[in-house]
Amino acid sequence: EVQLVESGEGLVQPGGSLRLSCAASGLTFSNYAMHWVRQAPGKGLEYISGISSDGGSTYYADSVKGRFTISRDNSKNTLYLQMGSLRVEDMVVYYCARSRSSSSYDAFNIWGQGTMVTVSS
Amino acid sequence: DIVMTQSPDSLAVSLGERATINCKSSQSVLYSSNNKNYLAWYQQKPGQPPKLLIYWASTRESGVPDRFSGSGSETDFTLTITSLQAEDVAVYYCQQYYTTPFTFGPGTIVDIK
Repeated sequence: EVQLVESGEGLVQPGGSLRLSCAASGLTFSNYAMHWVRQAPGKGLEYISGISSDGGSTYYADSVKGRFTISRDNSKNTLYLQMGSLRVEDMVVYYCARSRSSSSYDAFNIWGQGTMVTVSS
Repeated sequence: DIVMTQSPDSLAVSLGERATINCKSSQSVLYSSNNKNYLAWYQQKPGQPPKLLIYWASTRESGVPDRFSGSGSETDFTLTITSLQAEDVAVYYCQQYYTTPFTFGPGTIVDIK
């Protein structure tokens, strides 16, 4: 079964840092582009970052550019999101998602269950 | 960034009736070299991650019931649910993946009348 499992959920102070992980199983991880999407409780979906299958290309929304860094370790089948300079508005659920293909420019057909980040002093 | 809008914000449809959701992009998402519209539709139920329904604007994802269909091109798209079922109650989002960041529409809530 293809599965994505996020971890790294936690409480962090404003201005702090946190790293999220997304472990993939049941698929050849290195064949697919990957993405992070977030969602505030009761709100819509916000695309925040993506990375090509080989890690050579990365993409960011303006809301996180310069603060967040996406990376992947294909040998560990794991996607990461290093988050810094955290703000209260970053306190949302984060989903990792897989592209349908190796192309970053494709729909997202596999999603993790999401992990909550809490930013509070 | 490409801005995605959806209408209506919400709709209530009787069981077995048709539900139609519209999505508009602020610029064309049709890639002329392959004639594909880089537009997807997702369904999200409470407490669950989104689920891909339609990609390339009109291609149904494997396992998605054929009562779900997508249409449209360039900047105007439609998701149609023929014969609404109780399990179709959800929020539906369109998304463009033509250019980064891959923006989503604000969502349309579908409920039973």
